[in-house]
Amino acid sequence: DVKVTQSSRYLVKRTGEKVFLECVQDMDHENMFWYRQDPGLGLRLIYFSYDVKMKEKGDIPEGYSVSREKKERFSLILESASTNQTSMYLCASSLWRLAGGPGELFFGEGSRLTVL
Amino acid sequence: QQPVQSPQAVILREGEDAVINCSSSKALYSVHWYRQKHGEAPVFLMILLKGGEQKGHEKISASFNEKKQQSSLYLTASQLSYSGTYFCGTDMEYGNKLVFGAGTILRVKS
Repeated sequence: DVKVTQSSRYLVKRTGEKVFLECVQDMDHENMFWYRQDPGLGLRLIYFSYDVKMKEKGDIPEGYSVSREKKERFSLILESASTNQTSMYLCASSLWRLAGGPGELFFGEGSRLTVL
Repeated sequence: QQPVQSPQAVILREGEDAVINCSSSKALYSVHWYRQKHGEAPVFLMILLKGGEQKGHEKISASFNEKKQQSSLYLTASQLSYSGTYFCGTDMEYGNKLVFGAGTILRVKS
């Protein structure tokens, strides 16, 4: 079974702190994604990566950066956490479809971040 | 850029049918459907590619009309286990971003 593991289920940080959220997948997927989930807003794409060291902005990249130094690991970085970044963060991975575009996404359990 | 889902929420009794719609203002290449149960990660249901295809998954099926830039998810003879939040995700041709809608909360009562 594909497994996507997020390093922390729950984090509490203070405003201005630097926050790292780690995600590891074990199925050699090319694509990895970071979404944030807020009530009523669904899943909003922050960043995604289609290869090592490659990244593209999603719909809400402001205040976030990412790193993908190895194929299996995709990190989300909050350089200076703010209270409006309190949210559930979901990591996902997928293969490419033969016809193009991402295939089935496999999600991690999520990291619930609270910024005080 | 998020696709628009409707309705926002629906309550059914066991055995009833439901339709969830997903529409976009942009041309679509494919549509994904996922279900998320409370406290769990979203789980894949199906992908539909442009070409007007329909797919099925148990008593859940979907259609994709690329001209209208919309997809519909059909839940037939609903079961308690169908309860959860349903998300559609869309990507545009040659793109690799998958963008999700705000979700539709489905509750099935006995």
